[in-house]
Amino acid sequence: AQSVTQLDSQVPVFEEAPVELRCNYSSSVSVYLFWYVQYPNQGLQLLLKYLSGSTLVKGINGFEAEFNKSQTSFHLRKPSVHISDTAEYFCAVSNTGFQKLVFGTGTRLLVSP
Amino acid sequence: EADIYQTPRYLVIGTGKKITLECSQTMGHDKMYWYQQDPGMELHLIHYSYGVNSTEKGDLSSESTVSRIRTEHFPLTLESARPSHTSQYLCASSEPGRVNEKLFFGSGTQLSVL
Repeated sequence: AQSVTQLDSQVPVFEEAPVELRCNYSSSVSVYLFWYVQYPNQGLQLLLKYLSGSTLVKGINGFEAEFNKSQTSFHLRKPSVHISDTAEYFCAVSNTGFQKLVFGTGTRLLVSP
Repeated sequence: EADIYQTPRYLVIGTGKKITLECSQTMGHDKMYWYQQDPGMELHLIHYSYGVNSTEKGDLSSESTVSRIRTEHFPLTLESARPSHTSQYLCASSEPGRVNEKLFFGSGTQLSVL
């Protein structure tokens, strides 16, 4: 079985500052990794995904994440955040058969001016 | 853009009432899912379906039931709501294929049982 740990429940940051949201996963088999974002009063949207290939994955809205197999991590980064990035971010993992996704507890990103 | 709709968006109801949360998608997706989300907690899969007349229970035990009579429709029913059922319920669907790497989510139904 797979599991995901998001260490930070909330990350406050000032506008135009860089941010990193941490995600660690646990699995005994090969995995696919995902980041989803949930803006206030909206459903989750796929931000980016890692299936195979390059370990640095670029997503929408300037976000990127790096798959690190040795550290079992998939941290999300953005070099300069905007107010509009304020949302909840969920890391998720599945095995390569993709029967279903397992989500983390989420990290609330709060961007202030 | 996501074409998956959930109604109602908010529901406040008394204990013992029967409720049905609606979920519809217009993308023709075979696979549909129900997740339960509590604040500060993981999303938990409670039901999923791989097509018409196919329903399975997810990782988290739930007293709710689902049905899949039509491809586009995946309603969730609670026969007798209790305060412990208070939560956000998210419906999702995914494209057909061996690697379904993208889920489309609805906006969710926030259920409060008094």
